[in-house]
Amino acid sequence: GQQLNQSPQSMFIQEGEDVSMNCTSSSIFNTWLWYKQDPGEGPVLLIALYKAGELTSNGRLTAQFGITRKDSFLNISASIPSDVGIYFCAGRGSGSARQLTFGSGTQLTVLP
Amino acid sequence: NAGVTQTPKFQVLKTGQSMTLQCAQDMNHNSMYWYRQDPGMGLRLIYYSASEGTTDKGEVPNGYNVSRLNKREFSLRLESAAPSQTSVYFCASRPVTGASNQPQHFGDGTRLSIL
Repeated sequence: GQQLNQSPQSMFIQEGEDVSMNCTSSSIFNTWLWYKQDPGEGPVLLIALYKAGELTSNGRLTAQFGITRKDSFLNISASIPSDVGIYFCAGRGSGSARQLTFGSGTQLTVLP
Repeated sequence: NAGVTQTPKFQVLKTGQSMTLQCAQDMNHNSMYWYRQDPGMGLRLIYYSASEGTTDKGEVPNGYNVSRLNKREFSLRLESAAPSQTSVYFCASRPVTGASNQPQHFGDGTRLSIL
């Protein structure tokens, strides 16, 4: 089956720093999604990417759909305390593999 | 707008007990999903329902059954709970099936402990 490798597993950064995390896949995806999960809550969609090479921003967040269609990255600029949480990438293939495959998550801690 | 509502939020069961987790969405979405989330493993798909009246196995279906009661509701049942099923369970829904790329919307989860 499809596999997603998400890195890093965890990050500790100072408030104000920029953050970058990425996901790579063993197969091609047609859609990349980035979710954030706060403690005790379900994942919330941050950014959706539908085309190879697509670069999309949502406030301080920027994500890109890799040209090879096997990777995506998420950048957070000028981090703030409320950025703390777990960030998940998810990808969807085509045909019989149209269900979402999730990365294992990146735990982000923002230090004051 | 309630979105995706899961009940209960917390539950403790003894090994061998049965339990049904409820999920309802008020967004008129066609597809619904059940995931489990375990530490360090992201979300794994248990079962999904592409549309009312259909259900299919996901990545980890063993020990679970589902019912798509109507368009709004999709329940997950544990017939004989096992400690390995201790997890956080998330329900999600998505607007349409087929070629659409619409993303999934998640509930807040059900935290289930099996003793």
